[in-house]
Parts: sequence; structure tokens; C-alpha cells
Amino acid sequence: GENVEQHPSTLSVQEGDSAVIKCTYSDSASNYFPWYKQELGKRPQLIIDIRSNVGEKKDQRIAVTLNKTAKHFSLHITETQPEDSAVYFCAANQGNTGNQFYFGTGTSLTVIP
Amino acid sequence: DTGVSQDPRHKITKRGQNVTFRCDPISEHNRLYWYRQTLGQGPEFLTYFQNEAQLEKSRLLSDRFSAERPKGSFSTLEIQRTEQGDSAMYLCASSLSMTPAYNEQFFGPGTRLTVL
Repeated sequence: GENVEQHPSTLSVQEGDSAVIKCTYSDSASNYFPWYKQELGKRPQLIIDIRSNVGEKKDQRIAVTLNKTAKHFSLHITETQPEDSAVYFCAANQGNTGNQFYFGTGTSLTVIP
Repeated sequence: DTGVSQDPRHKITKRGQNVTFRCDPISEHNRLYWYRQTLGQGPEFLTYFQNEAQLEKSRLLSDRFSAERPKGSFSTLEIQRTEQGDSAMYLCASSLSMTPAYNEQFFGPGTRLTVL
């Protein structure tokens, strides 16, 4: 089965700096990679996703990059703000077959004002 | 509220008791997933439905766990003879498979189970 690893487990940055979270996956059949933000006591919310037919996707201050050859993908948050503080999870899925989603173990991001 | 809903939000039970949770997906979403999440971990897949058919179950899912989605709408997850190790947040998510944004999952607020 798929194995998703996520690093780092904790990350502290100064407000305004950038944050990068990295994930690797093992199954080359995975082709859909979502990122979720989970605030304390709340449900995971999708913040950005990428499919294997593109290498990068941006949405305002958030971007995701994908390297299919190396089987890794990364979340980039620029100009961080205190409200970005949360736990971020990456996941991998085999697209429209609907197979299970495999989640990373999460990164706790703290943005220091 | 048109999002995924779960009931109850919290459940405290004694070891050995049975519990049942309910998930109402977003209307017309044909896929429904159940996950378990413990503190400091990512969601762990339990099972998945497409319409009323249960298509996949985690090998980690013991026979004490059973899930149904009888009419392809809401789903229930039952845990029999609960154990303290079952204490966790149980999350439900739904998605629609036939849009450009297929496989985008929307999570419910979860049911927090505490087994004493």
C-alpha cells in the first residue's frame, strides 16, 4: 500500500516569513495530492490540491509543488500570518478510482507575531 | 448548513458497551469515507462507500467495527464491545466523483469517543 511521510512535525516561523512542509509518497499510482489545514478542535479543511498532470499550483499565498519522479510534494506558505497557525496534513490518493486517502502525520505550524 | 454533519459530537461510554455514530454527507455526494484520528496523528482510513456499496475497508478495521450506508445517503458506524483503545475522533468525509473537482473531500466536525 501507499506510505506518506511528512516533515517536519513542528515548524515555527516569524510572521511574514515563508513556511515549507514536505511530503513523500511511495506508490507511483497516486495522482491526487490534497493538503488540509486543521485548527485545534476543528475539522480538516482542504486548502489546496494538485494532480499529477501539473508540477505546481498557486492560490494567493499558498502554493504546492509536485515532483513525480522523486515522489515528493511540498506546501509553501508565503508571508505567513498568525492565523496560519494550525496543523497541516498532506495526503495521497489514486485519483478517480476513489481508493483510500493516505495521510501524513501532520505538521504543527506556529507563526510567531 | 449544507456541509457534512455528524452526530453525536461527543460520546463517553464504558468499556464493553456498543456505540453508533451517524454521518450525513453533503447532499448528492456519492462517496463517503470514515476515518479515525488520534492526537498528533493524521486521519486513518477506516472504510469507504460509493453510493450504498462499501467498496473498501482498512485491514486495521476489526470485526467489532461495522459501517452501513443503506440508501446511499447517511451512514452509520457502529463499534461493538468498545475498548479503551477505541478512544479517538471519528471523522466522516464525503465527495462527489463526477465533477472536475472529483475527489475533493469535505470533512464533518467529527465525533469524539471516550471509552472509560
